[in-house]
Amino acid sequence: NAGVTQTPKFRVLKTGQSMTLLCAQDMNHEYMYWYRQDPGMGLRLIHYSVGEGTTAKGEVPDGYNVSRLKKQNFLLGLESAAPSQTSVYFCASSYSTGAWKGQTQYFGPGTRLLVL
Amino acid sequence: AQSVTQPDIHITVSEGASLELRCNYSYGATPYLFWYVQSPGQGLQLLLKYFSGDTLVQGIKGFEAEFKRSQSSFNLRKPSVHWSDAAEYFCAVEGNGNKLVFGAGTILRVKS
Repeated sequence: NAGVTQTPKFRVLKTGQSMTLLCAQDMNHEYMYWYRQDPGMGLRLIHYSVGEGTTAKGEVPDGYNVSRLKKQNFLLGLESAAPSQTSVYFCASSYSTGAWKGQTQYFGPGTRLLVL
Repeated sequence: AQSVTQPDIHITVSEGASLELRCNYSYGATPYLFWYVQSPGQGLQLLLKYFSGDTLVQGIKGFEAEFKRSQSSFNLRKPSVHWSDAAEYFCAVEGNGNKLVFGAGTILRVKS
């Protein structure tokens, strides 16, 4: 049972390049999330998904796209990377009982992205 | 809108001393509150959570937190800190649709 895994662990991009971050979970969770972590700002939600085939915008969605083609995977794409997207990206997942509240989110180890 | 304030960016305590990390939240309804810990280079791990019942919540690694509605606070405590507790701690409140709003975090340093 690996929990939440993220690929790659570290990446350097040049401005304008594109890339995809992969998140995978083996806990059969319905909900998945992408956050970015910047010093002094905590974690901010980029996009999230409440089930296979559905995605929604979070607090800071601009410059990112996501897809949830399979329940266990949640992809985060940067079409044209900018230096402001230098950050640590975390994926998380949670189980939904339909009650919506109080579910624990399980986090991956993070991806460090540097955009030059 | 929901928000979380962690007033202390850094805290340094001696090993064996007690610890209290402050968290204040803003949320219109009954809050669902969480404390997560992030060790260097790692993801976040849940320490404890509160959503009803007893206002004193026990968590893992000897941590506890007390919910005080009148003060809109959810402070994290530990009676005796160990060197392995050095990490960054995040308080969070759950908003709509199981979405968490995090505070900026408090970095804990433990001196021997």
